[in-house]
Amino acid sequence: NAGVTQTPKFQVLKTGQSMTLQCAQDMNHNSMYWYRQDPGMGLRLIYYSASEGTTDKGEVPNGYNVSRLNKREFSLRLESAAPSQTSVYFCASSEGLTSGIVYEQYFGPGTRLTVT
Amino acid sequence: LAKTTQPISMDSYEGQEVNITCSHNNIATNDYITWYQQFPSQGPRFIIQGYKTKVTNEVASLFIPADRKSSTLSLPRVSLSDTAVYYCLVGINTGGFKTIFGAGTRLFVKA
Repeated sequence: NAGVTQTPKFQVLKTGQSMTLQCAQDMNHNSMYWYRQDPGMGLRLIYYSASEGTTDKGEVPNGYNVSRLNKREFSLRLESAAPSQTSVYFCASSEGLTSGIVYEQYFGPGTRLTVT
Repeated sequence: LAKTTQPISMDSYEGQEVNITCSHNNIATNDYITWYQQFPSQGPRFIIQGYKTKVTNEVASLFIPADRKSSTLSLPRVSLSDTAVYYCLVGINTGGFKTIFGAGTRLFVKA
């Protein structure tokens, strides 16, 4: 039982390049999330998927796209990377979403992305 | 949106009890309060969650007054390994899901 896995662990991109961050969970969770964390800051929600087949914008979606490939996998794509997207990206999953309740979220180890 | 306010940092010594308070004046009726812990270079880890009064588990207690406008995370007898950032999170899911982690409280435990 690996929990939440993310690939790659580190990545350096040049401005304008594209890439996809991969995330998978093996806990049969319905909901998955992508966050970014800038140095010394809290996490900010980029996109989330409440259930397979649905995706919604979070707090900072601009410059990103997501795909909920199946129940297990949720990918984050940067179409044209910018230096402002230099950050640590965390994927998380939870059993589900219910009004007012934040179910326990399980986080992956993160992807450290640098855009030069 | 129910924004949270926490102290930026706190210092403590090993063996002491640490209380971290979070203010959430605009908490909605259905919102729960959740606390996470984050070590450097790791993703956050769930500590405890509650709705009202007191909740206790094997690692912490959560105190929530009747008006629910604040909450206090209590860590009994901290050790060096409790040095981390602690986030107070208020569940929001009305017409869309928003997670407000905030900057958290950096707890530094000294020997």
